[in-house]
Amino acid sequence: SAVISQKPSRDICQRGTSLTIQCQVDSQVTMMFWYRQQPGQSLTLIATANQGSEATYESGFVIDKFPISRPNLTFSTLTVSNMSPEDSSIYLCSVTGGKSYEQYFGPGTRLTVT
Amino acid sequence: KNEVEQSPQNLTAQEGEFITINCSYSVGISALHWLQQHPGGGIVSLFMLSSGKKKHGRLIATINIQEKHSSLHITASHPRDSAVYICAVNHTGNQFYFGTGTSLTVIP
Repeated sequence: SAVISQKPSRDICQRGTSLTIQCQVDSQVTMMFWYRQQPGQSLTLIATANQGSEATYESGFVIDKFPISRPNLTFSTLTVSNMSPEDSSIYLCSVTGGKSYEQYFGPGTRLTVT
Repeated sequence: KNEVEQSPQNLTAQEGEFITINCSYSVGISALHWLQQHPGGGIVSLFMLSSGKKKHGRLIATINIQEKHSSLHITASHPRDSAVYICAVNHTGNQFYFGTGTSLTVIP
């Protein structure tokens, strides 16, 4: 299994500012995933982050809005840029285990944009 | 149409009751996950199964691959079981589909 921590756990931000969310894993993993969960909705994959390469974004998400860094095999950051109230969501980091269908989730970052 | 459908959407139970949450999916899967999300937002994986039945404490998860259906049962429910329960399926590779969740409230 993998233990994932995220910082911050929650934040309240002003419209137009940016927030960087950190994700730390206790073991080396190849692939890390960033999800968004808007209020009352299911999880939506934002992007997949592999170490040493550009993140792969899902339809509807762009690098300018959600830049991702993956400097090593245990760490990643997601930045939510130029925030608007519509960005108010829970942002979750996850990783896969030894097999692709094993997935572990972080505690989430609850973002509120005012 | 969502690839993963859960029912009920909301559930209120008295402490001690037996609870069932259902999940139906429409795609081929390699595994199905039951996840628990507490009010703070963090998600904990309860079960990962690809066939049959698994039990962990008061929680039981079953899956019927032919019918593309899974159930999560909670026996002797307790207020600390109050959370959102999410069904997720692993389609191919790293592609996951998530249900919208079942919000469970257990009243003392």
